[in-house]
Amino acid sequence: EDQVTQSPEALRLQEGESSSLNCSYTVSGLRGLFWYRQDPGKGPEFLFTLYSAGEEKEKERLKATLTKKESFLHITAPKPEDSATYLCAVQAHTGNQFYFGTGTSLTVIP
Amino acid sequence: DAMVIQNPRYQVTQFGKPVTLSCSQTLNHNVMYWYQQKSSQAPKLLFHYYDKDFNNEADTPDNFQSRRPNTSFCFLDIRSPGLGDAAMYLCATSRDRQVPYEQYFGPGTRLTVT
Repeated sequence: EDQVTQSPEALRLQEGESSSLNCSYTVSGLRGLFWYRQDPGKGPEFLFTLYSAGEEKEKERLKATLTKKESFLHITAPKPEDSATYLCAVQAHTGNQFYFGTGTSLTVIP
Repeated sequence: DAMVIQNPRYQVTQFGKPVTLSCSQTLNHNVMYWYQQKSSQAPKLLFHYYDKDFNNEADTPDNFQSRRPNTSFCFLDIRSPGLGDAAMYLCATSRDRQVPYEQYFGPGTRLTVT
């Protein structure tokens, strides 16, 4: 069964304290892995798409990486405005559905 | 700016009273999706349209219906809302579905059932 697991569920960081969020997946043939940011009461905002193991994407303080079993979202020197829930989703070759994880709630303390 | 718009942002309905949520997009994308998201849970796909082709998820209750009268608009109809249907409803679009195009989400409609 295709599924996505994110860890940790919640993460509190001091401003400037770098860390990583994990997204592990089991899917019958990965078509793409997606990272989203979701602020409270809002829709998810697209961050990155990763297609194959070894691929990396960067945007400001965020860097996403992909292996055959998991993806990491690295946050370097986070700021309070990076506080949000980060969602991971995968799309399999068999079918068109996106499978979302339950997200990691990140809080960055000034 | 090209975007996905949802109306209303907040909707209160009574138990059993039909309600319609709307979504429009200026991205000219072929695919439109409806998700249900409850607190601290992952978005759950209800159905999607690929152009005019409707695709229902196997576990979506019959109480939920959708219409897509044209490329730009899509509606979610809840025929007899129950207390368990209170949630955030998210509309999303993507350029296509065969290639892993990212999905773009609207701001959501928060539905309360009294």
